[in-house]
Amino acid sequence: GEDVEQSLFLSVREGDSSVINCTYTDSSSTYLYWYKQEPGAGLQLLTYIFSNMDMKQDQRLTVLLNKKDKHLSLRIADTQTGDSAIYFCSGGSQGNLIFGKGTKLSVKP
Amino acid sequence: EAGVAQSPRYKIIEKRQSVAFWCNPISGHATLYWYQQILGQGPKLLIQFQNNGVVDDSQLPKDRFSAERLKGVDSTLKIQPAKLEDSAVYLCASSLDWGTGYEQYFGPGTRLTVT
Repeated sequence: GEDVEQSLFLSVREGDSSVINCTYTDSSSTYLYWYKQEPGAGLQLLTYIFSNMDMKQDQRLTVLLNKKDKHLSLRIADTQTGDSAIYFCSGGSQGNLIFGKGTKLSVKP
Repeated sequence: EAGVAQSPRYKIIEKRQSVAFWCNPISGHATLYWYQQILGQGPKLLIQFQNNGVVDDSQLPKDRFSAERLKGVDSTLKIQPAKLEDSAVYLCASSLDWGTGYEQYFGPGTRLTVT
């Protein structure tokens, strides 16, 4: 079945860039998404990329998509302590989203 | 704009008991989703509604889980009887319409502990 894989942990220093990687199996995904989840909260959509794009930039966030390798990445520039959270990669079709296990980003001052 | 509301926020029950969760989506959103998020995992879709009809319930354990959205607005998710492995956060989400490309807005979730 469809699957989304992410590394589980990432630790960076405040001010550095963070790169979170994801691989997926469902090539029919029209959109691929990055969600952020803070402790005790629901998921918040951070950004998304349409499957016929290979890059999207949105302020401090850059999404890269390699459709051939089914690889998605999220780069956060100038990472702040407020960026500490779990980040989920997601894809799917017709509203049926498949989520990875999430990458826990820890930002050290 | 008010977000997706869920209640209760926390619930502790014993195995074999019943429990119900309530969700109020964003006003005007036709599509409503229930997800189960087990600790350390990503959310897994249980069921999605378009207005008051079920679009997809293929991953809902129908022997113990049921959900309804009678008037196409609020929804309830019920577990009867609960098992230990049902301990999870139950997330409700809504989107303007059904299909690819419509952003899903998530509620804060209900954390269920089954002892």
